[in-house]
Amino acid sequence: EVQLVESGGGLVQPGRSLRLSCAVSGFTFDDYAMHWVRQGPGKGLEWVSSITWNSGSRGYADSVKGRFTISRDNATNSLYLQMNSLRAEDTALYYCAKDAQAEASSFDYWGQGTLVTVSS
Amino acid sequence: DIQMTQSPSSLSASVGDRVTITCQASQDISDYLNWYQQKPGKAPKLLIYDASNLETGVPSRFSGSGSGTDFTFTISSLQPEDIATYYCQQYDNSITFGQGTRLEIK
Repeated sequence: EVQLVESGGGLVQPGRSLRLSCAVSGFTFDDYAMHWVRQGPGKGLEWVSSITWNSGSRGYADSVKGRFTISRDNATNSLYLQMNSLRAEDTALYYCAKDAQAEASSFDYWGQGTLVTVSS
Repeated sequence: DIQMTQSPSSLSASVGDRVTITCQASQDISDYLNWYQQKPGKAPKLLIYDASNLETGVPSRFSGSGSGTDFTFTISSLQPEDIATYYCQQYDNSITFGQGTRLEIK
């Protein structure tokens, strides 16, 4: 059974940092691209970042470029999102999602999300 | 950046109705278009990939069509469990989601 479990969310002050983690199981992690998608309170889905199977290519939404860094550890089946210089508008539920392929295509499995609240 | 425009933003329909949602891309994205369903309090679920392919395990009342800039998502006979918000997503150039269509039962 495919499982994705996010962690690391919480309440953080503006300007501070937070690191999200996603632990996966049930599939061969290093065969697939991975993604972070967020959803602000009462809002729609917003793609945040993607990483290919071998970390050879990473992409970021303009809203987080230069502040967030995606990474993965294929040895431990883990995906990460380092979030720096956090802003109030980064407040959201952050989902980890598995791609159906080695490079970005469709998101066939999702975690349940970890909540990030940026507030003073 | 490619913009995805979904319509309508909300929709009310009766059980058994045929429901159609459209998604328009700001430029040609071939068939690099997916559809997701999100029920309240739940993670999104992939329904249709590459514009018209039904994800394994998804009921056949769901379907998708289109290519280029104009895409359609259809529920052939609305069921009570289909109440959700539906999103399109392109992956031709970076990744973008549509703004969502909230579907309610009339």
